[in-house]
Amino acid sequence: RKEVEQDPGPFNVPEGATVAFNCTYSNSASQSFFWYRQDCRKEPKLLMSVYSSGNEDGRFTAQLNRASQYISLLIRDSKLSDSATYLCVVKDSSASKIIFGSGTRLSIRP
Amino acid sequence: DTAVSQTPKYLVTQMGNDKSIKCEQNLGHDTMYWYKQDSKKFLKIMFSYNNKELIINETVPNRFSPKSPDKAHLNLHINSLELGDSAVYFCASSPRDFYGKAFFGQGTRLTVV
Repeated sequence: RKEVEQDPGPFNVPEGATVAFNCTYSNSASQSFFWYRQDCRKEPKLLMSVYSSGNEDGRFTAQLNRASQYISLLIRDSKLSDSATYLCVVKDSSASKIIFGSGTRLSIRP
Repeated sequence: DTAVSQTPKYLVTQMGNDKSIKCEQNLGHDTMYWYKQDSKKFLKIMFSYNNKELIINETVPNRFSPKSPDKAHLNLHINSLELGDSAVYFCASSPRDFYGKAFFGQGTRLTVV
């Protein structure tokens, strides 16, 4: 089983829609969780951290479910500029490294 | 000012050659990384340095050798390049003890022919 797994997509949704995707992780001792965004042929950029109680940043909501070992990202009122690959990232508790999922591709159509 | 810069942006070279990719960060971070992103877009850590000290060395062929002359620089040297080395290589840095918040360079697209 991969350490971090994501549905690769693509998710193809109309502008204005709400879209959500999940990411599962295998190590129950994982400490920290993040969502990154990667545009085509660009570098990954931190989108938001994921806190235990869930957190929002504008149209984006991230949630953590430790019991089921997954994190989620919800995007409301999606914009064309949200089209990108979203990478789930988990910090390994035992080593100083972060582990990336393979990403979920999101495409917003007009 | 570019926070994490790596050069070159593109590198096309023949099999068997030796090449280097340079990376510099001006964020004052203690930790730097090299990641490889293959054709399937999977981003995998190769090395991590904390204040010039190697702390992570994943299962990477020893043809790959990182070098950190100071905590602001982490270079990657690759010997005897193979076709399978073709990928995008990303350098990144993060504050110590805050490894999740990494800043990435723009990537070096390596093509081995």
